[in-house]
Amino acid sequence: KNEVEQSPQNLTAQEGEFITINCSYSVGISALHWLQQHPGGGIVSLFMLSSGKKKHGRLIATINIQEKHSSLHITASHPRDSAVYICAVRVGTGTASKLTFGTGTRLQVTL
Amino acid sequence: EADIYQTPRYLVIGTGKKITLECSQTMGHDKMYWYQQDPGMELHLIHYSYGVNSTEKGDLSSESTVSRIRTEHFPLTLESARPSHTSQYLCASSDSGYGYTFGSGTRLTVV
Repeated sequence: KNEVEQSPQNLTAQEGEFITINCSYSVGISALHWLQQHPGGGIVSLFMLSSGKKKHGRLIATINIQEKHSSLHITASHPRDSAVYICAVRVGTGTASKLTFGTGTRLQVTL
Repeated sequence: EADIYQTPRYLVIGTGKKITLECSQTMGHDKMYWYQQDPGMELHLIHYSYGVNSTEKGDLSSESTVSRIRTEHFPLTLESARPSHTSQYLCASSDSGYGYTFGSGTRLTVV
């Protein structure tokens, strides 16, 4: 069992819909990252969270440390949001820290 | 605008050839990483470096080697490519605040 589980694995939405992607993890973490990977393969860092909630444009990320759970929300989804969204947790601190990744949620937003 | 550059983006090469995947960053980050990602799978750490002349193997065993002679440059070398090395290779760097920046990746096919 992977230390980081994402759901759903695949998601299709119509333009304008509100989208939620979930991430659960089973280890103690120092931070959680949400990443976006486009079909070309490059990865963009969206958020780094250690508590609470962050918002950037139409994207909102929340984390509940006690429940070991994070969600990524996309409001008013658009076809350009189509990508794979990856949750990664940082375990450890300082030079001993490392990222463990989920397998990603593939999002397709249609017109 | 990308602050971390990977070349080439795509590479098709014959079995037995020696290849070097280039990764350079302009942010002055001490920490750099190489990840391997098979299609639809999570990223796995294969090498990392915490500074010049420091390199370590990651969680996933790899036949590749790395070097860190300059802060900005972290190349990955395969001495003798095999079809099992076919994968995507992603380079990343991180700052002292643990924010990560990823490159666009190199998609390697060994025939």
